[in-house]
Amino acid sequence: AQSVTQLDSQVPVFEEAPVELRCNYSSSVSVYLFWYVQYPNQGLQLLLKYLSGSTLVKGINGFEAEFNKSQTSFHLRKPSVHISDTAEYFCAVSEGTTDSWGKLQFGAGTQVVVTP
Amino acid sequence: EAQVTQNPRYLITVTGKKLTVTCSQNMNHEYMSWYRQDPGLGLRQIYYSMNVEVTDKGDVPEGYKVSRKEKRNFPLILESPSPNQTSLYFCASSLLGAPRDNSPLHFGNGTRLTVT
Repeated sequence: AQSVTQLDSQVPVFEEAPVELRCNYSSSVSVYLFWYVQYPNQGLQLLLKYLSGSTLVKGINGFEAEFNKSQTSFHLRKPSVHISDTAEYFCAVSEGTTDSWGKLQFGAGTQVVVTP
Repeated sequence: EAQVTQNPRYLITVTGKKLTVTCSQNMNHEYMSWYRQDPGLGLRQIYYSMNVEVTDKGDVPEGYKVSRKEKRNFPLILESPSPNQTSLYFCASSLLGAPRDNSPLHFGNGTRLTVT
């Protein structure tokens, strides 16, 4: 079974500064990887996903992530954050051979707080 | 508007009093799922359903029941709620049953349940 570790529970960052959120996973098989964002009092929205192909994945709102198979990582980055990026971010992993969303595992989340 | 609708948004109840949280989607999705979100634990899956009359346990099914009598609805039932079921609950749906099908998960806005 796979598992996900988000290394930072909270990341404070100044507006217009870059941010990186770290995600590591463990799995004995190929994986699908996802980043979701949760704004206050809302459900989760998909930021980006890696299913196959290019290891650099671009998502919505200027975010990107890089799949590194040798380091089993899928770190999320944004070169310049806005106040509106204040939210909780979740990394999730699913087995690449799975026939079900039921195997999706979420990390514990990283709270990003952007200040002026 | 395509959406996943959960009701109620907030619910306070007492130990042992049966309750139902409803979830409805208007996108003709086959797959539906329930998660609970707790601080430091991320999202954990309770139950999921690949289609009508097909349901399976997730990682934390104890104390919960579900049913899928029709495609659009997937209610979560707590027959005898206990304080350890105090949590934020999310319903999600997807057009198809697996991430490789490139059909993303759509989340509702959550139900905050408090059991005293």
